[in-house]
Amino acid sequence: EIVMTQSPATLSVSPGERATLSCRASQSVSSNLAWYQQKPGQAPRLLIYGASTRVTGIPARFSGSGSGTEFTLTISSLQSEDFAVYCCQQYNDWPPWTFGQGTKVEIK
Amino acid sequence: EVQLLESGGGLVQPGGSLRLSCAASGFTFSSYAMSWVRQAPGKGLEWVSAISSSGGSTYYADSVKGRFTMSRDNSKNTLYLQMNSLRAEDTAVYYCAKPRISSWYSFYFDYWGQGTLVTVSS
Repeated sequence: EIVMTQSPATLSVSPGERATLSCRASQSVSSNLAWYQQKPGQAPRLLIYGASTRVTGIPARFSGSGSGTEFTLTISSLQSEDFAVYCCQQYNDWPPWTFGQGTKVEIK
Repeated sequence: EVQLLESGGGLVQPGGSLRLSCAASGFTFSSYAMSWVRQAPGKGLEWVSAISSSGGSTYYADSVKGRFTMSRDNSKNTLYLQMNSLRAEDTAVYYCAKPRISSWYSFYFDYWGQGTLVTVSS
């Protein structure tokens, strides 16, 4: 089973600043990685797949990069609506399809 | 518009059973593999089970294997999760999720239901 580890657990950022979130896989997942955003009481929302492809309608301030075992989600200029939990998911090696434990982006 | 509506959650005693349903609309349900994903209170997402478009293939997380059974009725556009021998650690919000592409090799999810809470407690 591939273990996905996200860091940091919590990221405190001021509005307008850049946020950089990390996701590490215990073995290579190629580019088969997705990122989700989840707000309290809501279902997850798909942001990015293929490590770097934004879903239609997702703002350009969200970008994904990486391959193999190291991945990054960058939010270039945080807006108020971006404060949420972000998690990664690998779909390269299955079953199981595995998620990271999430990074909470909070207002500094 | 794609919609996934889960139902069937509730409070159940340890060792008990529950059946969750997920009613799908807005897409060709019979063409898509589907999945259940759960989230324990304050925790991250955990994939639970998946089923092929025809229902002929199913996969389960080790944590639920032998206790949970996933099925579907394509004539009713409905997904099911039969949960037996429930444990306290099964307490979670259960989401049904639709993959963006119906392929095990691209199994990430572009639509999720609102979730249904299962609480296992005496």
